Amino acid sequence: DTAVSQTPKYLVTQMGNDKSIKCEQNLGHDTMYWYKQDSKKFLKIMFSYNNKELIINETVPNRFSPKSPDKAHLNLHINSLELGDSAVYFCASSQDLMGANEKLFFGSGTQLSVL
Amino acid sequence: QKEVEQNSGPLSVPEGAIASLNCTYSDRVSQSFFWYRQYSGKSPELIMSIYSNGDKEDGRFTAQLNKASQYVSLLIRDSQPSDSATYLCAVILYSGYSTLTFGKGTMLLVSP
Repeated sequence: DTAVSQTPKYLVTQMGNDKSIKCEQNLGHDTMYWYKQDSKKFLKIMFSYNNKELIINETVPNRFSPKSPDKAHLNLHINSLELGDSAVYFCASSQDLMGANEKLFFGSGTQLSVL
Repeated sequence: QKEVEQNSGPLSVPEGAIASLNCTYSDRVSQSFFWYRQYSGKSPELIMSIYSNGDKEDGRFTAQLNKASQYVSLLIRDSQPSDSATYLCAVILYSGYSTLTFGKGTMLLVSP
């Protein structure tokens, strides 16, 4: 039973399209995240939600809109996709806000390719 | 800007050798440090955490922390080909809120 699951695993789409990635965690965690990993493997935080409330919103184009319908789900919608959006997007969760003893659990990633 | 820095590698070691991976961070108030391992095409997985100065050992892995030098390292003893992966150093940084910030990772290649 997967702890943090995200779908789809692969997403290939044309420039200008709108797409969504879904994430669900069954760990009972309060905090969920979206990270982006570029082609050079640099893993960078995009958003963080705690109990459905947006906590962290890094410098991300407003074409990216996260939505958390409940604390077990955090979806990412991307409008007007651009070539530079091609990356692997990881969903993650932690029991609470990132503190000293918190551990981050990652989903398996969604490889987004914009053509 | 608060950062976590690693040498991207690749670091090549023969099987059975000790692999030494290094990381520096810029935020003096950071208290929590982690090493994640990421195999190609997979998600990062936590292998070590360290909070106090000194060494912390877990099996073949030893994490070392020196807060005065803002330096954290990971030693892998008796390296195996299955240890070949990218190792990500991560630090909790504070800028209004806490975030787990990753370095760019060091690729380790262990040759049989």
